[in-house]
Amino acid sequence: AQTVTQSQPEMSVQEAETVTLSCTYDTSESNYYLFWYKQPPSRQMILVIRQEAYKQQNATENRFSVNFQKAAKSFSLKISDSQLGDTAMYFCAFMKLHSKLTFGKGITLSVRP
Amino acid sequence: DVKVTQSSRYLVKRTGEKVFLECVQDMDHENMFWYRQDPGLGLRLIYFSYDVKMKEKGDIPEGYSVSREKKERFSLILESASTNQTSMYLCASSFVGVNTEAFFGQGTRLTVV
Repeated sequence: AQTVTQSQPEMSVQEAETVTLSCTYDTSESNYYLFWYKQPPSRQMILVIRQEAYKQQNATENRFSVNFQKAAKSFSLKISDSQLGDTAMYFCAFMKLHSKLTFGKGITLSVRP
Repeated sequence: DVKVTQSSRYLVKRTGEKVFLECVQDMDHENMFWYRQDPGLGLRLIYFSYDVKMKEKGDIPEGYSVSREKKERFSLILESASTNQTSMYLCASSFVGVNTEAFFGQGTRLTVV
């Protein structure tokens, strides 16, 4: 079974600074997908970024980028130029092809003005 | 825009009642999921369905059942609600295949008294 581990329950960052959220996972599969989802206080889950395991290049979406280390089974999210609107819970998730989506426990990120 | 709609945002039910949580998606997604979200535990998968009338147990199926009679609708049923089923319930849907982003509903906060 796949497991996703987010060991930090919460983090805080000053506005405009950079923060990295860590995630590790465990799987014996070689073909899978990794995701970071954001859940703001409104509760609506929003996809932040996605990485296909077969791609070596790290995914980037504007201020959000990942550091995907397949051998180490690590998938961290870097948020650059943090904004107040980035305050939310962030969930790391794993999905193998044609199967269920497994989430970590999440991390609460607070951006300080 | 993809839309995943859950029938209620807040729900209060009595112990022993049969409870139905409905979820409808408008993107012809094959996969549909029901998750339960509790503080410190992240999102835990209850059931998922990859096709009409098909279902698979997730990590915590006990006390729940599901129904998928039409592709766009996935119902979660609490056969006899108990106080330990008080939680946030999230429905999600996705395509099968390379575009595997999951889209979420707004969540149902269920309180069992």
